[in-house]
Amino acid sequence: QKEVEQNSGPLSVPEGAIASLNCTYSDRVSQSFFWYRQYSGKSPELIMSIYSNGDKEDGRFTAQLNKASQYVSLLIRDSQPSDSATYLCASEEGHAGGTSYGKLTFGQGTILTVHP
Amino acid sequence: EAQVTQNPRYLITVTGKKLTVTCSQNMNHEYMSWYRQDPGLGLRQIYYSMNVEVTDKGDVPEGYKVSRKEKRNFPLILESPSPNQTSLYFCASSLSTDTYSYEQYFGPGTRLTVT
Repeated sequence: QKEVEQNSGPLSVPEGAIASLNCTYSDRVSQSFFWYRQYSGKSPELIMSIYSNGDKEDGRFTAQLNKASQYVSLLIRDSQPSDSATYLCASEEGHAGGTSYGKLTFGQGTILTVHP
Repeated sequence: EAQVTQNPRYLITVTGKKLTVTCSQNMNHEYMSWYRQDPGLGLRQIYYSMNVEVTDKGDVPEGYKVSRKEKRNFPLILESPSPNQTSLYFCASSLSTDTYSYEQYFGPGTRLTVT
């Protein structure tokens, strides 16, 4: 069974600080990784996807991928109270030759609270 | 508006009474999937479908059935629901490609209680 582990929360940061969310995965051949945000009582919302080693930036969000260490992270700069939510890390089961299997594994989520 | 819809949003039923939760997307997505979300266990994939007439098991398929007769619809069927299927269910879809895939868009969720 492939596993995705997220740093245990909850995580609390002051407004304006950087929130750092971490995730490790067990499937060595996973190629696709995703960060979702889920507000209480709502459905998950995709905020970042990353497929290559390195950093990917989108506004205040930066995803980082290190395939050698099987590690994915999400940095949220200038955190706002509206960023308070559960953040879910997900990986797609590894595939070879460009054929995707379509099977995703999610971590249990990290609860982030940004306090004014 | 591009969206994934699920019906019903809330359902309370009794053990053994067959039920179907519908899922529909209007984005012409090839890929669709069902998840259940339980406290402490996170989101777990039940079934997924790469395209019409193509379905496969996720991590927790026991007690569930699916069908994909047309691209836009992917119903989840519980033939004989049991209390351990009480959960929050999400349908999702994505425009899969060979290289970059499975940026999934989720429906609003269906909260199912089986007594």
